[in-house]
Amino acid sequence: ILNVEQSPQSLHVQEGDSTNFTCSFPSSNFYALHWYRWETAKSPEALFVMTLNGDEKKKGQISATLNTKEGYSYLYIKGSQPEDSATYLCASPNYGGSQGNLIFGKGTKLSVKP
Amino acid sequence: NAGVTQTPKFQVLKTGQSMTLQCAQDMNHNSMYWYRQDPGMGLRLIYYSASEGTTDKGEVPNGYNVSRLNKREFSLRLESAAPSQTSVYFCASSTLVHEKLFFGSGTQLSVL
Repeated sequence: ILNVEQSPQSLHVQEGDSTNFTCSFPSSNFYALHWYRWETAKSPEALFVMTLNGDEKKKGQISATLNTKEGYSYLYIKGSQPEDSATYLCASPNYGGSQGNLIFGKGTKLSVKP
Repeated sequence: NAGVTQTPKFQVLKTGQSMTLQCAQDMNHNSMYWYRQDPGMGLRLIYYSASEGTTDKGEVPNGYNVSRLNKREFSLRLESAAPSQTSVYFCASSTLVHEKLFFGSGTQLSVL
């Protein structure tokens, strides 16, 4: 089973700061990379699903990039707001997508102080 | 739209008791999943159903059984609950395997 690693584990920023965090995954047999946003006491919600090397996705002030050759993805938040406080999860299918097992990282917990 | 609905939201069991977690989706999705979330661990897949009529083991299937009752419903059964099964359980669905997941609200299960 492949390893999906996220860093940092947690992050504390001030309102208005821009921030980014990393998801790394094995580059061999790459199929897709998912990002989810998980607010406390709620369920994870999908942000992006990325499949192509060099892909960039954007949703409001949140964007993500993908490098499948070196096995990493960055999530960027421009001008963080307190409502951006959440745990951000990335995930990638196991076995190059031949099975339904989506392997999740442990997440990066973002806290944005007003 | 209700999306993914799972019941119950909370449950306390004694060791050895059995129970079934119910999940239904109204988005006409083909694929459905059961995950568990434990402190310090990522979400881990218990079982999934790629399409109606099929089920497959995920990363941590031991101690669980599933039934894909129809396209809408996917249940998770604990035949003889153990304290190691204390966890938060999430049901999810997607259009197809590896498309973005839509999650239910979770079930907090404690096994004493």
